[in-house]
Amino acid sequence: DGGITQSPKYLFRKEGQNVTLSCEQNLNHDAMYWYRQDPGQGLRLIYYSQIVNDFQKGDIAEGYSVSREKKESFPLTVTSAQKNPTAFYLCASSSARWDRQNTGELFFGEGSRLTVL
Amino acid sequence: GENVEQHPSTLSVQEGDSAVIKCTYSDSASNYFPWYKQELGKRPQLIIDIRSNVGEKKDQRIAVTLNKTAKHFSLHITETQPEDSAVYFCAASLLWGAGTKLIIKP
Repeated sequence: DGGITQSPKYLFRKEGQNVTLSCEQNLNHDAMYWYRQDPGQGLRLIYYSQIVNDFQKGDIAEGYSVSREKKESFPLTVTSAQKNPTAFYLCASSSARWDRQNTGELFFGEGSRLTVL
Repeated sequence: GENVEQHPSTLSVQEGDSAVIKCTYSDSASNYFPWYKQELGKRPQLIIDIRSNVGEKKDQRIAVTLNKTAKHFSLHITETQPEDSAVYFCAASLLWGAGTKLIIKP
């Protein structure tokens, strides 16, 4: 069953702690993305990667870090430097290595909801 | 910075009527304009998309129009049904609008 798997689904963090959200895909897609969704708002791009060992900052990268060591995996670390990390995080992938203005359909995971206590 | 504006934020229509959602974008280099539907607690899913070399695209009850000169595009849903109730997002490539909550009244 092909798709994108995000874990954990729910995560609670104390202030000052780093947390890592997992994203794995078995769609053989080249490009992967991380978005943040806040209530009543659209998705905002955190980071994206078009190929293994390469990634670019999105619009709200401060306080986040990523790695792309394998094609299938694109984990996101929310660091203690992120001022307001409570949000719903969505990972996505797409089949082609588009440039930022000319992209394609995104396939999303089910999301991870992070709450900072 | 670049942005995408989406209107209205909430749209309530009678079942069977049409719904129109509009978006404007600022990055003239954008070439891909998708529309996603997100039901409560679920992931966004693509419902229709259009590229800048096309002015209109239709898929059954759903259509999208693009005016690249004016930098705006619209989603049209005809003969709305209760299952159309959801939040709809437009995007200009990787930049998303804030969403429209569509409510279908029985």
